[in-house]
Amino acid sequence: DTEVTQTPKHLVMGMTNKKSLKCEQHMGHRAMYWYKQKAKKPPELMFVYSYEKLSINESVPSRFSPECPNSSLLNLHLHALQPEDSALYLCASSAPGQGGRETQYFGPGTRLLVL
Amino acid sequence: AQSVTQPDIHITVSEGASLELRCNYSYGATPYLFWYVQSPGQGLQLLLKYFSGDTLVQGIKGFEAEFKRSQSSFNLRKPSVHWSDAAEYFCAVVLSGGYNKLIFGAGTRLAVHP
Repeated sequence: DTEVTQTPKHLVMGMTNKKSLKCEQHMGHRAMYWYKQKAKKPPELMFVYSYEKLSINESVPSRFSPECPNSSLLNLHLHALQPEDSALYLCASSAPGQGGRETQYFGPGTRLLVL
Repeated sequence: AQSVTQPDIHITVSEGASLELRCNYSYGATPYLFWYVQSPGQGLQLLLKYFSGDTLVQGIKGFEAEFKRSQSSFNLRKPSVHWSDAAEYFCAVVLSGGYNKLIFGAGTRLAVHP
């Protein structure tokens, strides 16, 4: 089973709201990722957690706050977003591998609209 | 710097016709290469991957890809396209160096005519 689940599927929020995106996997993967994808563009990496510790932050604005409560769960907390943050947010996970031989499996995404 | 190029932004084929989607990479070491497919509004599904060994890789849904080091290419092929194959296809290479960062190409949008 290579399933990554994400909730909610769709989210509409105002610029003053606080909301959270949730990602879950039960494949025993120890790396989890957040990507942002704008229309007609490839995904852009935002954050990487490895063994529940933040290992990469791709200079993402602080209005996005990731959290990894345990090895199966990854959250993305959103606060004071801008309309240009509207996008598809994808979560992915991968098992530990050797020197890059890790395959990322993606969830279905959360479609976010910021008004 | 590592990069991935998908020269074709948009391709249209007739159902039943063969398909080849091009992917070229720029990478100094042995690349680890992936093809993902994305249907509208959906996440990315892994089609196939190449790490080492046999340069012709079989994937899901009848797709295959061939790694050609001399041409820095990893083209995706399918002998007979189905209408359900209409989607966006992304080629990606992993960035080595301690973490698993995928570098994606710009994507190729495939349309299938009945």
